Amino acid sequence: EADIYQTPRYLVIGTGKKITLECSQTMGHDKMYWYQQDPGMELHLIHYSYGVNSTEKGDLSSESTVSRIRTEHFPLTLESARPSHTSQYLCASSANPNEQFFGPGTRLTVL
Amino acid sequence: GNSVTQMEGPVTLSEEAFLTINCTYTATGYPSLFWYVQYPGEGLQLLLKATKADDKGSNKGFEATYRKETTSFHLEKGSVQVSDSAVYFCALSGKDTGRRALTFGSGTRLQVQP
Repeated sequence: EADIYQTPRYLVIGTGKKITLECSQTMGHDKMYWYQQDPGMELHLIHYSYGVNSTEKGDLSSESTVSRIRTEHFPLTLESARPSHTSQYLCASSANPNEQFFGPGTRLTVL
Repeated sequence: GNSVTQMEGPVTLSEEAFLTINCTYTATGYPSLFWYVQYPGEGLQLLLKATKADDKGSNKGFEATYRKETTSFHLEKGSVQVSDSAVYFCALSGKDTGRRALTFGSGTRLQVQP
């Protein structure tokens, strides 16, 4: 059973607010990822990290930022939320390229 | 670069019907191949995987065989249940994937009716 957690599970917020989506894993994995999942289900990689103090942009441009100060924690921040940020955000981690473990996701709605 | 193509959904079946979800890929070298499943309101879970040609991955009655000659990894199940209703993603990990680790298909929604 994978141990990767995301909070909150659901968030409804007004335009212009700053938000942080939390992601934590207890497996000691070096690699962590953030995906944005659109209503058509397709997954888009927006950020990834190989380890502490390492972060990279993914394939889809995003206004969000991430940090990796501790191995187990990989939060995603939006400084000023907009309706276009409404989506499902999935966090994942892995120890090797052959398997990623996913959290349950955060469904964000920006009004 | 790497890419994964899945059949479009939704796929609607009656309980106990046979399931096939097609997946083909483009990759350099010999990628590892995966099927992930996403149940409503949840994240993705690894369903099965195959790491070399002719390998068969299997789990929970689902199977997929790594076919290098046709660059395919089709998902099959002999008798689906209502509880199999979910979105299924084909994915690969290969040389060009690099640090991104996985390239996903666009997902196929399966709806099983009682």
